[in-house]
Amino acid sequence: SSELTQDPAVSVALGQTVRITCQGDSLRNYYVSWYQQKPGQAPVLVIYGKNIRPSGIPDRFSGSSSGNTASLTITGAQAEDEADYYCNSRDSSDNLSPFGGGTKVTVL
Amino acid sequence: QVQLQQWGAGLLKPSETLSLTCAVYSGSLSGYYWSWIRQPPGRGLEWVGEVNYSGTTNYNPSLKTRVTISLDMSKKQFSLQLASVTAADTAVYYCARGTLRGVKGYDPWGQGTLVTVSS
Repeated sequence: SSELTQDPAVSVALGQTVRITCQGDSLRNYYVSWYQQKPGQAPVLVIYGKNIRPSGIPDRFSGSSSGNTASLTITGAQAEDEADYYCNSRDSSDNLSPFGGGTKVTVL
Repeated sequence: QVQLQQWGAGLLKPSETLSLTCAVYSGSLSGYYWSWIRQPPGRGLEWVGEVNYSGTTNYNPSLKTRVTISLDMSKKQFSLQLASVTAADTAVYYCARGTLRGVKGYDPWGQGTLVTVSS
């Protein structure tokens, strides 16, 4: 299966913790990567592999995975974290690379 | 630090062919998967397809009959062609660098090109 499922929207109070989930059968065998996208900008990679943050990504972003579900956690959410977040992985054949539908994170 | 810069026509008529090119600066093409990803206005990201360093391609099944992605190692460029476009192909198109089995995600990304299909 090549489908990745995300909740459409979540909200979090400033300074609190929010978890964004991504579900898909292929996550049992492939790593997930997570992207932050702000309006009018290209997506930015925030987590890949086994919870690895690219250079410049704050350590309040972390990733985890269990079975068919991967999670992106923002610990101590900041106003600038308000954005759309997308997960991505490979499908079971390793020939496709679908994205989840995206989760809009609102920081209250 | 690898950078991607993309260009191509931004306004097309229905039935025309979309053509975009992405140049790779300060990095090698070898060992990577060179990809195109698009985003219709107000919607999510959609993977279009990829070409790897040996020229092997994979395409989104929903576009497979119309899409061609190619790699020019000598110019350090890769290209997207999408034939017989319709209004449904209106989107921002991004080029991006990927890796085997998606282990390192897509990074970097091009700046994006808005392609509008309208008569």
